[in-house]
Amino acid sequence: GAGVSQSPSNKVTEKGKDVELRCDPISGHTALYWYRQRLGQGLEFLIYFQGNSAPDKSGLPSDRFSAERTGESVSTLTIQRTQQEDSAVYLCASSARQGGRRYEQYFGPGTRLTVT
Amino acid sequence: QKEVEQDPGPLSVPEGAIVSLNCTYSNSAFQYFMWYRQYSRKGPELLMYTYSSGNKEDGRFTAQVDKSSKYISLFIRDSQPSDSATYLCAMNFQGAQKLVFGQGTRLTINP
Repeated sequence: GAGVSQSPSNKVTEKGKDVELRCDPISGHTALYWYRQRLGQGLEFLIYFQGNSAPDKSGLPSDRFSAERTGESVSTLTIQRTQQEDSAVYLCASSARQGGRRYEQYFGPGTRLTVT
Repeated sequence: QKEVEQDPGPLSVPEGAIVSLNCTYSNSAFQYFMWYRQYSRKGPELLMYTYSSGNKEDGRFTAQVDKSSKYISLFIRDSQPSDSATYLCAMNFQGAQKLVFGQGTRLTINP
């Protein structure tokens, strides 16, 4: 079946502009995550959504970052007033809520953001 | 000190060799351990998933967890050029959802 999809695949923006990144999770997966991966680094957790529960925003690096999710489907990550240090690959993942596989996260291809 | 430490490499081995990739961690509360493979310009792909201590085998891959030493390993037997990728270890706590990742080890298998 279809995996996690993300758009755009690449985004180049000028410092100070706002950007919006989109994620479509695997159908039926109730949990959705955003991570950031800087060049040559591991993934940093940003935010987690589970159904109608309040999201876990503990990984968001500043108030310039926000994310929304509509029900159990699409999510958008918004970065306002982008800075050069925001340049990274932004990865979205989803997982099933129940059963032994609930900790297994499946990733999309990422959005490569470059702030000039 | 990072919660999860992983040697970034790069690691280069000949085709057919046994590869050993490792991570150490500092928090004994971690319960679930995963290995992801990431090809260049792609998202991470889940390879192995283990709970608590012990070994788990899947084809040419074996994941090993030693909770007493806070050390996990991934072994790749009969390595192939198609195994060339970055390998990321990840772990999380019981009841938690966010994964904590190592830096990733870049592996090249030479034909």
